[in-house]
Amino acid sequence: EVQLVESGGGLVQPGGSLRLSCAVSGFTFSSHWMTWVRQAPGKGLEWVANIKQAGSEKYYVDSVKGRFTISRDNTKNSLYLQMNSLRPEDTAVYYCARDALVAGTGYFDYWGQGALVTVSS
Amino acid sequence: SYVLTQPPSVSVAPGKTARITCGGNNIGSKRVHWYQQKPGQAPVLVIYYDTDRPSGIPERFSGSNSGNTATLTISRVEAGDEADYYCQVWDNTSDHVFGTGTKVTVL
Repeated sequence: EVQLVESGGGLVQPGGSLRLSCAVSGFTFSSHWMTWVRQAPGKGLEWVANIKQAGSEKYYVDSVKGRFTISRDNTKNSLYLQMNSLRPEDTAVYYCARDALVAGTGYFDYWGQGALVTVSS
Repeated sequence: SYVLTQPPSVSVAPGKTARITCGGNNIGSKRVHWYQQKPGQAPVLVIYYDTDRPSGIPERFSGSNSGNTATLTISRVEAGDEADYYCQVWDNTSDHVFGTGTKVTVL
């Protein structure tokens, strides 16, 4: 059974940092692009970042460039999102998801349950 | 950046057909995927590659894509179909893009 489990969410002050983790099981993690998607309270889905199988390519939505870093450890079957200089508008549930396509240009067939990040003083 | 526009809401009576549109510039040239999200839950893929259904998704869910509009159709709507629905594409200038989302209400 495929499982993606996020952790590391919580309350942080503006300007602070937080690191999200996504532990994966049930498939060959190193064979897939992985993605972070977020959803602000009462709002729609927003793609945040993705990372290639070996970590050699990473892409970000403009609003987080220079502040967020996506990474992965294929030996631990884990995906990460380091979030620095956090802003109130970063408040959201963050989901990790698997890209079904080898090229990373596809659809997301498995999702985690989400981790809530709240940025507030 | 590439933008996908959906109607905020669609209401449908049980047993009837719901159609949710997703508008984008020449979206017919792209592959469109659809997700269902119920309150407090993660999104679930219901249609990929415009028309394909993942295993476990009822045949009542179907998709089409042409010109500037993609459509998710839910036939014989049930109370359990009440949810938010999002379209999604990959664009070479914007990477992954989600639609604005449509809330489907079953009357």
